[in-house]
Order: sequence, then structure tokens, then C-alpha cells
Amino acid sequence: DVKVTQSSRYLVKRTGEKVFLECVQDMDHENMFWYRQDPGLGLRLIYFSYDVKMKEKGDIPEGYSVSREKKERFSLILESASTNQTSMYLCASTPLTGVLTDTQYFGPGTRLTVL
Amino acid sequence: GDSVTQMEGPVTLSEEAFLTINCTYTATGYPSLFWYVQYPGEGLQLLLKATKADDKGSNKGFEATYRKETTSFHLEKGSVQVSDSAVYFCALSAYLIQGAQKLVFGQGTRLTINP
Repeated sequence: DVKVTQSSRYLVKRTGEKVFLECVQDMDHENMFWYRQDPGLGLRLIYFSYDVKMKEKGDIPEGYSVSREKKERFSLILESASTNQTSMYLCASTPLTGVLTDTQYFGPGTRLTVL
Repeated sequence: GDSVTQMEGPVTLSEEAFLTINCTYTATGYPSLFWYVQYPGEGLQLLLKATKADDKGSNKGFEATYRKETTSFHLEKGSVQVSDSAVYFCALSAYLIQGAQKLVFGQGTRLTINP
């Protein structure tokens, strides 16, 4: 089974802090994604990466950056956390080839609260 | 752009009732369609998917049929159980770049099943 893990289940930070959210997948997937989940809005794509050191903006990239130095690890960075970034953050991965390229595998999520 | 609309929640049913959660979509091309489920405190899990028109996805007693003529992918289950209480997300796949695909999600429907 694909396993996607996230470094923290719950995180509380102060406004202005730099925040790192880590995601690791163990299935050698090329593509990795960061979404945020908010009530009534579903999930929205923040950033994705299709290869090591390659990244592309998603639908709501403002206030975020990402890093992918190794294939299995994809980090989401909040350079200066703000209260409107309080949310659930979900990481996902997919392979580049094969019949499952459209099926995303999700981690358990990190619930971030910014005070 | 691509979008997914789900029926408003929350939905509350009694055990053994029939369930329908409506989902309609707008998309260019021919996306794959998905239902994901999120149990309390967990990340998203793939429930079922369909990759082309008239395909039926099924899993754990849930079913959904890809209806191109009505652009719909309604989720159904004949007899729900308390353990089905969760948030259900309808989604479609959309191409990004370099072969990667993102998921476009509906807003989610919270389902509660009472004994």
C-alpha cells in the first residue's frame, strides 16, 4: 500500500512565524501535491511538484512556498504565518506513469492553527 | 474552468436507509471522476472512481455511475451503517503539466448515520 506521512497532526504557531510542513511518501511517486482544506470550500491546490527541485503553483499559492530536494519528500513553507492560514493541510502523491496516474494518495493531514 | 458541485450538507440518515449524494461537474475534455471519503480525524481515502462515460465505480457497497449526458456522478448506497458517517468529496482529474494531474474537489458533504 502507498503510504504518505506528514510530520505533525496538529500544529499551533504564532503570527509571523516561519512554518514548515513536511510530507514523505514511500512509493517512489514522481508527483506530489499540497492542498488546504476549509469547510464549505473542499480542497484547493496550493503547489505541486512533478520532479525533484521542480515546482509549480496551484490555485492558491500566495503566502506559501515549497521545497523538493529528494523525490520522497515535499515540504510546504509558510514564510510568515498569518491567521488566515489556519486550516487543514493535506499532502498527496501520484505516479507519473501507469493506470493510477490520476489517483491521488493522501496523508493524514496537519491541522495548523495560527494565533 | 473545471468545477465540481455537490449537494449541500449535512445529511443525517437512520441506519439501513438509502443514500444518495448528488455530484455534478463542469470540465473540458474527459476527466476521471472520484469519490473520496474522510473519516473523523483522518486524511482522504479513495472510495471509488470511474474513468470514462457509463463506467460504474463501486466499493464497500457504494456505487456511482459516470453520466456524461447529465455531467453527473451521484454516490449511492442501498443500506447505510453507522460506520459510514464521514465527509464525502466528489472530485475530477484535471491535467496540469508534465503529465501530472490535479484533483478538483467539490465542497464536501458531511454524512451522519444514526443507529
